[in-house]
Amino acid sequence: GENVEQHPSTLSVQEGDSAVIKCTYSDSASNYFPWYKQELGKGPQLIIDIRSNVGEKKDQRIAVTLNKTAKHFSLHITETQPEDSAVYFCAASSSGGSYIPTFGRGTSLIVHP
Amino acid sequence: DAGITQSPRHKVTETGTPVTLRCHQTENHRYMYWYRQDPGHGLRLIHYSYGVKDTDKGEVSDGYSVSRSKTEDFLLTLESATSSQTSVYFCAISETGSGSGNTIYFGEGSWLTVV
Repeated sequence: GENVEQHPSTLSVQEGDSAVIKCTYSDSASNYFPWYKQELGKGPQLIIDIRSNVGEKKDQRIAVTLNKTAKHFSLHITETQPEDSAVYFCAASSSGGSYIPTFGRGTSLIVHP
Repeated sequence: DAGITQSPRHKVTETGTPVTLRCHQTENHRYMYWYRQDPGHGLRLIHYSYGVKDTDKGEVSDGYSVSRSKTEDFLLTLESATSSQTSVYFCAISETGSGSGNTIYFGEGSWLTVV
């Protein structure tokens, strides 16, 4: 089955800096890669996703890049703000059979004002 | 926000007692999931359902059972709760299960403590 590794487990940055979270996956059939943000005491929420036919996707201060050859994808947050502090999860899934994504273990992002 | 309601939101129970967590959705989505979240382990799938009375196991299904008698409700039962089942439990839904790009929406979580 799919295995998703996520790094780092904790990331501490100053407000205004950029933050990068990286994930690798093992199943070459995976073709959908969502990212979730989980605020304290809440459920994870989708913030951005990318499909295998796209190399990069941006949404305001957030971008995701995908390298299918190397089987890794990354979340980039620019001009970080204290409200970006949360746990971020990456996931990978394939279109074969049922859609059951495999999640990374999460990254706790702390943005210091 | 996706229409997902989990109950109870917080529960403390004793070892050996049965516990049932309920997930109710108003989106008429076909797929429903139960995950547990523990420090250092991220989100791990317990069971999922792909239709009424259609369920399957996830990676951490031992000690848990599920039932889905209606599209909108998915129940998770701990037959005999153990301290290792102290966790935060998340229900999730998705519209379909095949093909890529089917967003999973999560509920707000149920905090379970087994003492």
